[in-house]
Amino acid sequence: AQSVTQLGSHVSVSEGALVLLRCNYSSSVPPYLFWYVQYPNQGLQLLLKYTTGATLVKGINGFEAEFKKSETSFHLTKPSAHMSDAAEYFCAVITNTGNQFYFGTGTSLTVIP
Amino acid sequence: DTGVSQNPRHKITKRGQNVTFRCDPISEHNRLYWYRQTLGQGPEFLTYFQNEAQLEKSRLLSDRFSAERPKGSFSTLEIQRTEQGDSAMYLCASSLDSNSPLHFGNGTRLTVT
Repeated sequence: AQSVTQLGSHVSVSEGALVLLRCNYSSSVPPYLFWYVQYPNQGLQLLLKYTTGATLVKGINGFEAEFKKSETSFHLTKPSAHMSDAAEYFCAVITNTGNQFYFGTGTSLTVIP
Repeated sequence: DTGVSQNPRHKITKRGQNVTFRCDPISEHNRLYWYRQTLGQGPEFLTYFQNEAQLEKSRLLSDRFSAERPKGSFSTLEIQRTEQGDSAMYLCASSLDSNSPLHFGNGTRLTVT
């Protein structure tokens, strides 16, 4: 069975500081992994995805994530936080049947001016 | 591509009433998903359609919930005899194929009083 665990339900960083949001997955087969961002009262927007190939994936808004099979991790990073990055971030894994996305419980990012 | 559209954006209803939500997916997407999201949680899978066929339903989906996608285009989610515990954001998403990312609508927020 597939699942994801997001460590830290709330993360606060100063504007301009490194953003690191953690995600660990559990999967019996090679997973497809995704990061989504959600702003208040809106749906989820895709930030980036890992399917196959290069393990370092670049997404929108300067975010990137690295797939580390040995650590079963897919942490999301951004070198320099911007005020507009404040939102809820969700890590997701897709099942090997491709029918269900499993989402983590989310990490709320606060950016301090 | 106008994105995934959901109506209404907000619905307030009294306990015991029936409600129906509509989702219009991206036109070329044959996969359509319904998720439910409560405060502080990630989206929880409810059901999934490929074209007009409902291929998977979550055990979370009680008999009071029914979803349809009659012509393989838009979908409706009906909740009968609503309960206060049904209060949540109901998210619709669509995708092109089994390993493609989900594209989400902005959701319908249901409040049952």
